[in-house]
Parts: sequence; structure tokens; C-alpha cells
Amino acid sequence: EAGVTQFPSHSVIEKGQTVTLRCDPISGHDNLYWYRRVMGKEIKFLLHFVKESKQDESGMPNNRFLAERTGGTYSTLKVQPAELEDSGVYFCASSQDWAGNTQYFGPGTRLTVL
Amino acid sequence: QKEVEQNSGPLSVPEGAIASLNCTYSDRGSQSFFWYRQYSGKSPELIMFIYSNGDKEDGRFTAQLNKASQYVSLLIRDSQPSDSATYLCAVDAGNMLTFGGGTRLMVKP
Repeated sequence: EAGVTQFPSHSVIEKGQTVTLRCDPISGHDNLYWYRRVMGKEIKFLLHFVKESKQDESGMPNNRFLAERTGGTYSTLKVQPAELEDSGVYFCASSQDWAGNTQYFGPGTRLTVL
Repeated sequence: QKEVEQNSGPLSVPEGAIASLNCTYSDRGSQSFFWYRQYSGKSPELIMFIYSNGDKEDGRFTAQLNKASQYVSLLIRDSQPSDSATYLCAVDAGNMLTFGGGTRLMVKP
């Protein structure tokens, strides 16, 4: 069974540009999460989908970030326009249930904003 | 005060020794606790989870939970150089995980 996959693995863009990150969760996992780790800091929660619905987006830093999950399958995270402080590693995770259920992480997308 | 605290290390142990990794958390209502291992540039990989007070063993790994003292620990017996990685403690906060900053473990041959 395939794990969580993310695309691209790396992205280098200039300040002001737009970037879209994609996550494909483990098949059958209704719960999908986005996390981010910026340099020197701990991994921080961004948001949580249950199927196609946003359950919690309290961790989204500002309105430059937009997450979608079409049809409850894969998810995209768009940053528009990107700023220098958006640089970091963006992880996606999925789980079968929530509230204590094990989350499995993807390999992450390393975003560098110049 | 950080919600989940870990000593950043590095924690250096000789091959074959026991490595002890510790984590404290602030939310007394937390119910589920996870240890992830992360090799440089790779995804966090789940190695243990624990819900109840006491010890939970899985192979060379033992997780220990003390809810009264709000700490979780991970013991790695017979440490191997391949165990060298960053170990992340994560606490379930309802519908998200709250992570500590991680402890870097170095196992020297």
C-alpha cells in the first residue's frame, strides 16, 4: 500500500510568486493534515480536512495560504503571493480516524522563497 | 512556555547502550502521545504511540508515560548507529499533533 505522497519535493520561487503544493493521502484515509516546519522551529499544524471539509484551519498563518481538498481525495496548498518567511518544509499527513488516531507523514515539500 | 518540550541535544551514546529521550507537555488533558523518528531530509516516521500510564514495549523501544508528571519518555535499548536521527515527541491535541522541537540522537560505533 502506498504511503502519503507529496509533490514537488523541492520548490524554489521568488518572493511574490505563487506556489501550489500537492498531497495524496493513504487510500481510504478521510483525515488529511498539513503541517509546516520553518528553520529552527518545531513542526506546526496548519489545517485538518475530514474528507473534503475543513475541520480546523486555526494554524493557517494568513490569507495568503489556501488549502483545498477536491472530492475528499488529494489536497493542494497554495501560497499566493509567497513571502520570504514562508520558506520551510511543508508536510502532509493522513489518518483513518481523528482524535488520537495515528497520523502518517509524507516526505514533505521543501519550499524556498528568494 | 512551550506546549511540548524536548532537549534538543545532541544526545550521544555508544553503540549497544541505552538511549533515553524525554519529553514534557503542558496540556494536562492530552490523551495520546507519539514518538516519531526523522532522518535528515526525510519524513517523520512513527515508531511508538502510548495512551495509558506506564510502559509500552515494542522490540528495542520502550515508551513510558506519566500523566501526573506530564512526561513521556522513549528508551532505545542496544542502540545502533542506524538509530542516529532526530526523535520527535508529539501530543495529540484533539485533531492535530503538537510537536516538540526534537532531540538529536547520535549513536557512536
